Amino acid sequence: QQQVKQSPQSLIVQKGGISIINCAYENTAFDYFPWYQQFPGKGPALLIAIRPDVSEKKEGRFTISFNKSAKQFSLHIMDSQPGDSATYFCAASTTGRRALTFGSGTRLQVQP
Amino acid sequence: EAEVAQSPRYKITEKSQAVAFWCDPISGHATLYWYRQILGQGPELLVQFQDESVVDDSQLPKDRFSAERLKGVDSTLKIQPAELGDSAMYLCASSRRQGSSYEQYFGPGTRLTVT
Repeated sequence: QQQVKQSPQSLIVQKGGISIINCAYENTAFDYFPWYQQFPGKGPALLIAIRPDVSEKKEGRFTISFNKSAKQFSLHIMDSQPGDSATYFCAASTTGRRALTFGSGTRLQVQP
Repeated sequence: EAEVAQSPRYKITEKSQAVAFWCDPISGHATLYWYRQILGQGPELLVQFQDESVVDDSQLPKDRFSAERLKGVDSTLKIQPAELGDSAMYLCASSRRQGSSYEQYFGPGTRLTVT
């Protein structure tokens, strides 16, 4: 019930390409969906987040698409750069329990 | 820019020894979280504080782990005795008081190696 399933496990994209990472959830009480970026040896950094009352949110090159009926959300990184090479985690939480439930992570490699 | 502070950054300890981690959240953040991240996996919650009170420690192995936030500011997570399976990154995060913001900010973590 609390799981967030993330795919793919790893992703290789050419510089300038679009990176797409997908997540699915079961718990319909989830009402906050953030994405975190993590570099090796560092803590996760909040990238972008969405609430279920909107279907899309864009911040710079990063876009979250949200499909409430399918219980799925995705991260799109436009014009991917080598500096975007990192591990990306989706997560979810509820109003009552603010602690985050994380996906298993996607290791993104952007080739120059 | 305010950050969550954690120390030490790295800790190597022998099995059965005691180890402690410290976290100082962003000033004004009433909610503090400790997560454990095993290599190659996403973080998992160990304990959540609202001010000095524990609001969720359901996933904390209480036979060996303890956490406190005595004055509602900084926090300490302790493991005694440490086991080989405790090797992981221990992450602290903080957020504003519930009801105002969902955003959680993470510290750099403490990498624990148990030998």
